[in-house]
Amino acid sequence: KQEVTQIPAALSVPEGENLVLNCSFTDSAIYNLQWFRQDPGKGLTSLLLIQSSQREQTSGRLNASLDKSSGRSTLYIAASQPGDSATYLCAVDTGRRALTFGSGTRLQVQP
Amino acid sequence: EAGVAQSPRYKIIEKRQSVAFWCNPISGHATLYWYQQILGQGPKLLIQFQNNGVVDDSQLPKDRFSAERLKGVDSTLKIQPAKLEDSAVYLCASSLGRGRTDTQYFGPGTRLTVL
Repeated sequence: KQEVTQIPAALSVPEGENLVLNCSFTDSAIYNLQWFRQDPGKGLTSLLLIQSSQREQTSGRLNASLDKSSGRSTLYIAASQPGDSATYLCAVDTGRRALTFGSGTRLQVQP
Repeated sequence: EAGVAQSPRYKIIEKRQSVAFWCNPISGHATLYWYQQILGQGPKLLIQFQNNGVVDDSQLPKDRFSAERLKGVDSTLKIQPAKLEDSAVYLCASSLGRGRTDTQYFGPGTRLTVL
């Protein structure tokens, strides 16, 4: 059974810092890995999707890497801003399209 | 493009009562998902539809939960009778349902409180 773990559970940083969020998964047989953002009281917004054959994806200040063999992914956020404050969720697709999620990292960026 | 619509946004019921949630996916999306998100946890899949057929309902508590997707478009999720542990946010998502980069789009969710 696939399990996804995210560390840390919560993180507070001053504005402008670069930061890394970690995600690990137990079964390396995945189709893709996705990072989502969740704002309080709202649904999830897809940030980046990395296919199993890819090593990384970039979108603006966000960069996600994937090491499938070791079961790890990282989300790098450059020059953090208060608007980045949210919960970040990692999820894997094992080929059935339905996603298995981690519990998330709650990020607070202080002005 | 309109997003995934869900209603109601909030619902408070007593235990043993019944409740139903509604979801309207993005037009043209063949795959529809219902997830349950308990406070402090990530979403957990309850049921997945491809058009109007069930693909995966292995984690749906079938003694109390039911779901249907009539005509392959809208979907309803019902709980009868509700238990205290059903308090959660119920998220509906949809996707095109093809390819290795099949992105899921989520609705705002329905927050259920069972007293």
